[in-house]
Amino acid sequence: NAGVTQTPKFQVLKTGQSMTLQCAQDMNHNSMYWYRQDPGMGLRLIYYSASEGTTDKGEVPNGYNVSRLNKREFSLRLESAAPSQTSVYFCASSNTGLAAQVQYFGPGTRLTVL
Amino acid sequence: GNSVTQMEGPVTLSEEAFLTINCTYTATGYPSLFWYVQYPGEGLQLLLKATKADDKGSNKGFEATYRKETTSFHLEKGSVQVSDSAVYFCALSQGFNFGNEKLTFGTGTRLTIIP
Repeated sequence: NAGVTQTPKFQVLKTGQSMTLQCAQDMNHNSMYWYRQDPGMGLRLIYYSASEGTTDKGEVPNGYNVSRLNKREFSLRLESAAPSQTSVYFCASSNTGLAAQVQYFGPGTRLTVL
Repeated sequence: GNSVTQMEGPVTLSEEAFLTINCTYTATGYPSLFWYVQYPGEGLQLLLKATKADDKGSNKGFEATYRKETTSFHLEKGSVQVSDSAVYFCALSQGFNFGNEKLTFGTGTRLTIIP
């Protein structure tokens, strides 16, 4: 089992460019999440998907869009990157139907916007 | 809304020292509480969890007890090792929709253990 995988690991963009961060999980989890991690601010939820075909906004959704392509894959798109989006992005997944779901995280994508 | 407040870091200790990282929370009802650990260059992974008051979560020598009266979930370890150097995150979960346990994280505490 690979768990949660993310691509790319690193990316540098210029202001205004677009890109898609890819995430896939092989644990048959229903729920998937995108977080950003910034110094001194912990992890903040951008978007989540409770099941295939549904997505909802988290705490900081502005400037991002997501697609739950199928049960395995959940992508995050930046349509017009801004320097404020420089961050480390983590994808996570969890099971449903049980109390206190544990979330499993990918290794992260470090994005720099110039 | 929900919030988690963690002890400010960074924390530097000598090997075999006693560790405490404080965590307090604000939430309605009865959230589940977690400690996640992030080793250098990696994603977060669950260290331990507790789902109700007075529960004690434990793993790899780390412990934390869910104290509802003080709304706290402090992380402790009796004798730290160099390999424990990492960033530690306290988090709570209080999903309002069935099967959707969104996490609220603290800001993280960077721990460095010196040989």
